[in-house]
Amino acid sequence: AQSVTQLGSHVSVSEGALVLLRCNYSSSVPPYLFWYVQYPNQGLQLLLKYTSAATLVKGINGFEAEFKKSETSFHLTKPSAHMSDAAEYFCAVSDRGSSNTGKLIFGQGTTLQVKP
Amino acid sequence: DAGITQSPRHKVTETGTPVTLRCHQTENHRYMYWYRQDPGHGLRLIHYSYGVKDTDKGEVSDGYSVSRSKTEDFLLTLESATSSQTSVYFCAISEGPGINEQFFGPGTRLTVL
Repeated sequence: AQSVTQLGSHVSVSEGALVLLRCNYSSSVPPYLFWYVQYPNQGLQLLLKYTSAATLVKGINGFEAEFKKSETSFHLTKPSAHMSDAAEYFCAVSDRGSSNTGKLIFGQGTTLQVKP
Repeated sequence: DAGITQSPRHKVTETGTPVTLRCHQTENHRYMYWYRQDPGHGLRLIHYSYGVKDTDKGEVSDGYSVSRSKTEDFLLTLESATSSQTSVYFCAISEGPGINEQFFGPGTRLTVL
């Protein structure tokens, strides 16, 4: 079965530092890949998605992610953290084999703390 | 923002009582999903719908049922609530499967005492 692993349930960075949130998936066929962000007491908002058009995907708020098939990874990065980036981040996959349903499998989430 | 509302936003109930959560959309999207969010588990799919009266189970469907009689409404029912169903419930909508983005509602916080 498809699965997603996010390494690190909590990540803390200083304002202005690089943000790196890790996501690995398990699938013999590269799935559709997504990063969502959840601010406190809100629903989830899409940051970016991998469509297979390009391995480096740019999203909103300065975030980007790189798809690496050889490493089955889709890590999220941002060059310079801002206080407003503090939130919970979720990596999710949608199996191309079951793409007629659009079901998402989520990682367990990573809470990003940004210190002044 | 996508037009998705969930009601109620907060509910406290007792074990053994039935509970119905409502998701309402104004986007005319075909696909609708119910997830639950629990610490350490991310979001897990309960049920989904791919059209009016067309529904299917997700990975954690035991103890839940759903109904969709209109495009805009997707109801989640806990027939007899248990403490293990204390969670935050999110509804999501999508134009279609695969690469299409899912838009999420604001969530319903349910506490079962």
